[in-house]
Amino acid sequence: DAKTTQPPSMDCAEGRAANLPCNHSTISGNEYVYWYRQIHSQGPQYIIHGLKNNETNEMASLIITEDRKSSTLILPHATLRDTAVYYCIVRGTTDSWGKFQFGAGTQVVVTP
Amino acid sequence: DAGITQSPRHKVTETGTPVTLRCHQTENHRYMYWYRQDPGHGLRLIHYSYGVKDTDKGEVSDGYSVSRSKTEDFLLTLESATSSQTSVYFCAISESGAGAYNEQFFGPGTRLTVL
Repeated sequence: DAKTTQPPSMDCAEGRAANLPCNHSTISGNEYVYWYRQIHSQGPQYIIHGLKNNETNEMASLIITEDRKSSTLILPHATLRDTAVYYCIVRGTTDSWGKFQFGAGTQVVVTP
Repeated sequence: DAGITQSPRHKVTETGTPVTLRCHQTENHRYMYWYRQDPGHGLRLIHYSYGVKDTDKGEVSDGYSVSRSKTEDFLLTLESATSSQTSVYFCAISESGAGAYNEQFFGPGTRLTVL
């Protein structure tokens, strides 16, 4: 069963911030939120993950609500190369190896 | 980018022939995984390895076998390829299998077509 819900698609203008929502209302206390993306025909690429505090790295920021039932991935200045399918995944610290359940994700199209 | 290569990158074969895909890593990560990706199904785990000679099945393991004789290499074998195994195959690695820092890094993929 899917643990996350994401919109199937969204558009974003180049240079603007892209805010990608993810609902994970059944998340449990030991589960992290991971974000990956997959550019066409390439392998998935790790972006960021977090537990309850907001996280930022060179690629993106992750904002997790206080109740942890949803999160938002922020690409601060979207470029055409950010066009990809973005996956939000929840995974516990004790989950079995390899059980990253990739759902359908959000197809993000960045337009000029 | 993580040092993961897959070979071959593209292969066309006929039904009933054996096929072996290779994943090679230079990161010395303990865990390695094989996924397949098909339209409408996303990524599905085939087999994974948690050390040399230590492997286990994923959710779609029927028709596939794996071997890991060295840390750096993880082989996926289709003993007798079928058309339903036409797919894109991705290898992934991770430093740990569970816990907070078990993000997986993926290879470039192998596109396999079984005629």
